Amino acid sequence: EDQVTQSPEALRLQEGESSSLNCSYTVSGLRGLFWYRQDPGKGPEFLFTLYSAGEEKEKERLKATLTKKESFLHITAPKPEDSATYLCAVQGGYNKLIFGAGTRLAVHP
Amino acid sequence: GAVVSQHPSRVICKSGTSVKIECRSLDFQATTMFWYRQFPKQSLMLMATSNEGSKATYEQGVEKDKFLINHASLTLSTLTVTSAHPEDSSFYICSAKGQGTGELFFGEGSRLTVL
Repeated sequence: EDQVTQSPEALRLQEGESSSLNCSYTVSGLRGLFWYRQDPGKGPEFLFTLYSAGEEKEKERLKATLTKKESFLHITAPKPEDSATYLCAVQGGYNKLIFGAGTRLAVHP
Repeated sequence: GAVVSQHPSRVICKSGTSVKIECRSLDFQATTMFWYRQFPKQSLMLMATSNEGSKATYEQGVEKDKFLINHASLTLSTLTVTSAHPEDSSFYICSAKGQGTGELFFGEGSRLTVL
């Protein structure tokens, strides 16, 4: 059964304090691993798609990496506006997205 | 980028009534749309996959007679919660698959409260 586990469940950082979020997955036939940002009361906002182990993508203060078992979302020098829930999802052989429970990030000034 | 619009964003209804939520892809055609449900501080749970012109495919445990999905055109899918009850109160989110890219774009979500 396809499964996605995100850790930590919640993370509190000081502004400028870099950290990483983890997404561990098991899936039959990975078609893609997705990172989304979700603000309270809003739908998920697309960040990255990774397709194969070793792939990396960057966007501003965020960098996503992928191995055969997990993905990391690195946040460098975060700002308060980076506070949100970050969701990881995998797309397997059935073409459906399976989401993790998310990591709630709070960045304090 | 691609835009998916949901309406209404918030709806409050009485127990026993039906509520319809619309999901539109504004600048692209979506042959496949997905409907998710999200409870507070929990992740998105896929309810059903909606394909234009055919019956929706429901996930295990989702009542197809209660959550009616219609995908009548390439830009519109609707979710109707029939005979709503307080336990149906939730955040419903649709997504549409972009043509060619395979990326999923999400709507802003619809908050349903059943009194």
